[in-house]
Amino acid sequence: NAGVMQNPRHLVRRRGQEARLRCSPMKGHSHVYWYRQLPEEGLKFMVYLQKENIIDESGMPKERFSAEFPKEGPSILRIQQVVRGDSAAYFCASSPPGQGSTYEQYFGPGTRLTVT
Amino acid sequence: AQTVTQSQPEMSVQEAETVTLSCTYDTSESDYYLFWYKQPPSRQMILVIRQEAYKQQNATENRFSVNFQKAAKSFSLKISDSQLGDAAMYFCAYRSPISNFGNEKLTFGTGTRLTIIP
Repeated sequence: NAGVMQNPRHLVRRRGQEARLRCSPMKGHSHVYWYRQLPEEGLKFMVYLQKENIIDESGMPKERFSAEFPKEGPSILRIQQVVRGDSAAYFCASSPPGQGSTYEQYFGPGTRLTVT
Repeated sequence: AQTVTQSQPEMSVQEAETVTLSCTYDTSESDYYLFWYKQPPSRQMILVIRQEAYKQQNATENRFSVNFQKAAKSFSLKISDSQLGDAAMYFCAYRSPISNFGNEKLTFGTGTRLTIIP
């Protein structure tokens, strides 16, 4: 069973460009979470999605950031008009459907975004 | 909102010795989950150990064990017989119980960088 996959692993964008980060959850997982890790900091929650629904976006910046998890295909984190402060590692995690258990979140390898 | 505090930015230990990493948290919930994640230089997040708050028994996974003090809101990680491969950043994390809307986000501490001295 393949793990959580993220691509690209490294992404370089100039200020003002758009960044698209992709996440394919583990097989059978329908819950996806995005976290951001700034240099020398812990991971900060951004958004939690289930298929075709945003469940919790309390950690998403109000502007320029959006996320989706379509019925088919990977989850996408989109950052428009990137600025230097967006440079960070972006991690995706997935978990299986259901509740009432200690379903752990399985993390992908992350995408390191560098804005020049 | 829940907060997680790791007060030791860096720790070091001699190979084969034992080290304890500290973590405290703040919450008003009575039921929750606590985790320790390891992040080696590859940056991959690896789950080390988890603890359910309703369980009084401390979790153990091979050389890794926790000291869970619910009243004190403390959740320390003990690594026994430290090995070179244990060198990494270690993050403590908190998660609320599952709800209908899946309040499952993890709240992380700022991490402790563990160095193993050969």
